[in-house]
Amino acid sequence: DAKTTQPNSMESNEEEPVHLPCNHSTISGTDYIHWYRQLPSQGPEYVIHGLTSNVNNRMASLAIAEDRKSSTLILHRATLRDAAVYYCIWDNYGQNFVFGPGTRLSVLP
Amino acid sequence: DVKVTQSSRYLVKRTGEKVFLECVQDMDHENMFWYRQDPGLGLRLIYFSYDVKMKEKGDIPEGYSVSREKKERFSLILESASTNQTSMYLCASTIGQGSGNTIYFGEGSWLTVV
Repeated sequence: DAKTTQPNSMESNEEEPVHLPCNHSTISGTDYIHWYRQLPSQGPEYVIHGLTSNVNNRMASLAIAEDRKSSTLILHRATLRDAAVYYCIWDNYGQNFVFGPGTRLSVLP
Repeated sequence: DVKVTQSSRYLVKRTGEKVFLECVQDMDHENMFWYRQDPGLGLRLIYFSYDVKMKEKGDIPEGYSVSREKKERFSLILESASTNQTSMYLCASTIGQGSGNTIYFGEGSWLTVV
């Protein structure tokens, strides 16, 4: 059964790096992993996505394990505006998106 | 700028009313989705559509129907609203088949059934 798991919550200090983990142990070789974040009363916002190798953009980095059973979203320097719920999403052929339960990130000043 | 627009942000409806939630995307996307989001249950797929007039049931289709008469518009219909359908509803779209396409979400529609 397809499943994506994440910790319920994490906490970070401002200006420090944050590593948000996700497990997707039954993912197949062609399925992408997406990360989105959601602020209260808003729709999810794109952060990053990747398939096999590590990915970087202006918002974050995505490290995907060699066996692809897990991935980690890395925010290099957390700011107060990064406080949100972060969702790991297993993209099964673009028609079946398996959402993780989300990790609520708190950023302390 | 690409956009998924949900026409109603906040609605209050009475039990038994027929409710329409509209979603429009301006990106010529093939796939459109309706999710509901509830505390502790995350996002659950209600229906999705991969082409005009095509639809597939998601994980929780009971009590809902959908309509996709035009490519840009995907409507969620509650034939007879009930209090357990009070929730936040999210529409999303992607360009087409295959993994790795960006998912575009609307801002959400908050429905309260009294």
